[in-house]
Amino acid sequence: QVQLQESGPGLVKPSETLSLTCTVSGGSISSSNYYWAWIRQPPGKGLEWIGNIYYSGSTYYNPSLTSRVTISVDTSKNQFSLKLSSVTAADTAVYYCARPYYGESRFDPWGRGTLVTVSS
Amino acid sequence: EIVMTQSPVTLSVSPGERATLSCRASQSVSSNLAWYQQKPGQAPRLLIYGASTRATGIPARFSGSGSGTEFTLSISSLQSEDFAVYYCQQYTNWPSSYTFGQGTKLEIK
Repeated sequence: QVQLQESGPGLVKPSETLSLTCTVSGGSISSSNYYWAWIRQPPGKGLEWIGNIYYSGSTYYNPSLTSRVTISVDTSKNQFSLKLSSVTAADTAVYYCARPYYGESRFDPWGRGTLVTVSS
Repeated sequence: EIVMTQSPVTLSVSPGERATLSCRASQSVSSNLAWYQQKPGQAPRLLIYGASTRATGIPARFSGSGSGTEFTLSISSLQSEDFAVYYCQQYTNWPSSYTFGQGTKLEIK
């Protein structure tokens, strides 16, 4: 059973870069059947898709974030990562990694999420 | 961008009764729709995909219907553990675009 776990700093200063890693266990990140995704949820608010990556390195980003987002994959470590630059308080959120299926592209499973607060 | 609108924002239902949640897409998403349940402090859990297919391990009291722009999630005979926030999500333009509804909070009446 595949499990995902987010890791990274819980506090980032304004204008700096948020960096998170998702470690995949119980399965290979190199499977052709799945993408890998980042999704965020500001406190008390709804869900926002940030972007996807395929094991080959192909990426797709939310147009509202594309100028600040980079998602990368490290198949040797079974990990994928998120970088979000020039953060502001509006980027404070719980960040989830999740697995979208190739085809019927629902997100399953999800990591537990990690709260990242942007504050000086 | 396809906008997903859920209604109502809050739904109050008594245990044992039936709950019906709605989700509308700003343009057709065919059957490329999923439903998730989220409890406080937890990640969302997949309930339904393909508009009507239950995910593995999801009880039969959860059912989804609809296609195009109008979708419904029904929960028959509500159990205490069903009170949560529910989100719909479209994936018709995967892998390059996904959007979620704003959520419906299902609360105990």
